[in-house]
Amino acid sequence: AQKVTQAQTEISVVEKEDVTLDCVYETRDTTYYLFWYKQPPSGELVFLIRRNSFDEQNEISGRYSWNFQKSTSSFNFTITASQVVDSAVYFCALTGNYGQNFVFGPGTRLSVLP
Amino acid sequence: EPEVTQTPSHQVTQMGQEVILRCVPISNHLYFYWYRQILGQKVEFLVSFYNNEISEKSEIFDDQFSVERPDGSNFTLKIRSTKLEDSAMYFCASSDRGRSHTEAFFGQGTRLTVV
Repeated sequence: AQKVTQAQTEISVVEKEDVTLDCVYETRDTTYYLFWYKQPPSGELVFLIRRNSFDEQNEISGRYSWNFQKSTSSFNFTITASQVVDSAVYFCALTGNYGQNFVFGPGTRLSVLP
Repeated sequence: EPEVTQTPSHQVTQMGQEVILRCVPISNHLYFYWYRQILGQKVEFLVSFYNNEISEKSEIFDDQFSVERPDGSNFTLKIRSTKLEDSAMYFCASSDRGRSHTEAFFGQGTRLTVV
């Protein structure tokens, strides 16, 4: 069975601090895909990144970066120089290679204080 | 940019009533999904739909739920007799699931409140 764990339920930081959101996954699939979604207070799910299991290269997009480590089954997300607008719930998700549904983690609520 | 649209954005219904949540997936997508998020909890899979039939469903998706693609553009979720515990945000998603295995695009959600 697939499972996604986000051990941090809530994190609070002060603006301009860096913050890392942890994600640990479990799967028996050899090919799988990992995602991060942001859910702002308005409720919609906003896609941030997709990573497949064959690509362990870290990725940076502006203030966002992702560290995928297959050896530890982790896909952590770092926000550099956080801003108040980053305040949201962030979900890590996993899907397999054969049309399966997404399995979401429980989410981490990030509060960035001015 | 293409997007998944859901209507209504908020629905209030009385317990025992039937509700239909509507979604218009992205036009060239072939796989469709419904997910549910009870307030403050994680997003849970309900059902996936491909080639005009259910391809996978979770244990949440019992006989009270049904899905339909009535006209080639809409994708609906029907709850036959709503219960208080059906109150949640319902997300529709679609994906092309091609070799590139793109992400699922989620709609903005329908907040269902059962009173």
